[in-house]
Amino acid sequence: NAGVMQNPRHLVRRRGQEARLRCSPMKGHSHVYWYRQLPEEGLKFMVYLQKENIIDESGMPKERFSAEFPKEGPSILRIQQVVRGDSAAYFCASSPSRSQETQYFGPGTRLLVL
Amino acid sequence: GENVEQHPSTLSVQEGDSAVIKCTYSDSASNYFPWYKQELGKGPQLIIDIRSNVGEKKDQRIAVTLNKTAKHFSLHITETQPEDSAVYFCAASKRSGGGADGLTFGKGTHLIIQP
Repeated sequence: NAGVMQNPRHLVRRRGQEARLRCSPMKGHSHVYWYRQLPEEGLKFMVYLQKENIIDESGMPKERFSAEFPKEGPSILRIQQVVRGDSAAYFCASSPSRSQETQYFGPGTRLLVL
Repeated sequence: GENVEQHPSTLSVQEGDSAVIKCTYSDSASNYFPWYKQELGKGPQLIIDIRSNVGEKKDQRIAVTLNKTAKHFSLHITETQPEDSAVYFCAASKRSGGGADGLTFGKGTHLIIQP
């Protein structure tokens, strides 16, 4: 049973460009969470999605960041007009249902903004 | 919102000795407390979790204790081995009407096992 998949694993962008990060949850999981990890820090919750719905986006910056989890395909975290402060590791996690709190993490995407 | 404090930030122990990492949380409604191990360049890996209706849970060399009154939970690793060296994170969350909330993480403990 494949784990949570994320791609790309590493992404380099220049200031002002767009970054698209993809997450495929574990098979059978319909809940996806995105987190951001700055160097030497813990993970910070960004957004919680179910298929076609955003459940909680309280951790998302108000501008430039958006997330979706379509009926078909992976969840996408999109960062428009990236700035150097967006450089971080972005992790997604998945869980099987609304009654299961356990979250399984992917390997992350390391974003570097030049 | 929830705030999770984790101590120590770095812990060095001799191989074979025990290691203890402690966390406190602020939101009394939190009811789920997982621990994750993160190795360099990898994603967090769940190693053990505990729910608020249980005071202690053990899995081989790893145990977690929870004191709801004090809002405090701890990770205990016995008979430490070199492969236990990693960064360990505690976290907390609560289940709301729409499902489990996002996790609030501590800042991590860098565990170093000295051979």
